[in-house]
Amino acid sequence: QSALTQPASVSGSPGQSITISCTGTSSDVGNYNLVSWYQQHPGKAPKLMIYGVTKRPSGVSDRFSGSKSGNTASLTISGLQAEDEADYYCCSYAGSSTFGVFGGGTKLTVL
Amino acid sequence: QLQLQESGPGLVKPSETLSLACTVSGDSISMSTYCWGWIRQPPGKGLEWIGSIYYSGTTYYNPSLKSRVTISEDTSRNQFSLKLNSVTAADTAVYYCARHLWNGVWAFDIWGQGTMVTVSS
Repeated sequence: QSALTQPASVSGSPGQSITISCTGTSSDVGNYNLVSWYQQHPGKAPKLMIYGVTKRPSGVSDRFSGSKSGNTASLTISGLQAEDEADYYCCSYAGSSTFGVFGGGTKLTVL
Repeated sequence: QLQLQESGPGLVKPSETLSLACTVSGDSISMSTYCWGWIRQPPGKGLEWIGSIYYSGTTYYNPSLKSRVTISEDTSRNQFSLKLNSVTAADTAVYYCARHLWNGVWAFDIWGQGTMVTVSS
């Protein structure tokens, strides 16, 4: 069982917006602004999409945005495109004993 | 352009030691102020951080694996390595190395392509 809870799957039609949640605790997501999000296509390595809750690395589309409220972080993808279909994982720093934890992943299907 | 490449045996017997190396090109791990990490992904499952090594040689490990893991660096080869001992079938996974942004960030921004390791007799 993963430390962070994500929905197993979400779906949306091209052009729509979807949001993927990532629920942790006051020991990880709720206590640090150190949440990152990764996109993983089948057979490929993960790609960093969001770090520091809201920051986008250079080259990542501004259709991807991150936010946090309490113990839950969220990834929003606007203007869904077929190429966005992938697995998405959240990750959070969890203090100097545990260090880092991942979510179980969410499969995004673009209908 | 920074690139990472994992290498090592694809098959390891139960109870033996899994050994992998990550070769870094495009940056010197000894001159860099970055952290370098290992992450794994069992077939069909999610990601798990294994541990990381700082440029200073300081290591940090996932508490659940700490008793079996050693991460080290070989600056002459611009590599860092993973050793996981007493492996079982549960250690079967794709193993990734990655650049680990630690201070004030805690994210993995550059990944290797991954290498599949199967634990089986």
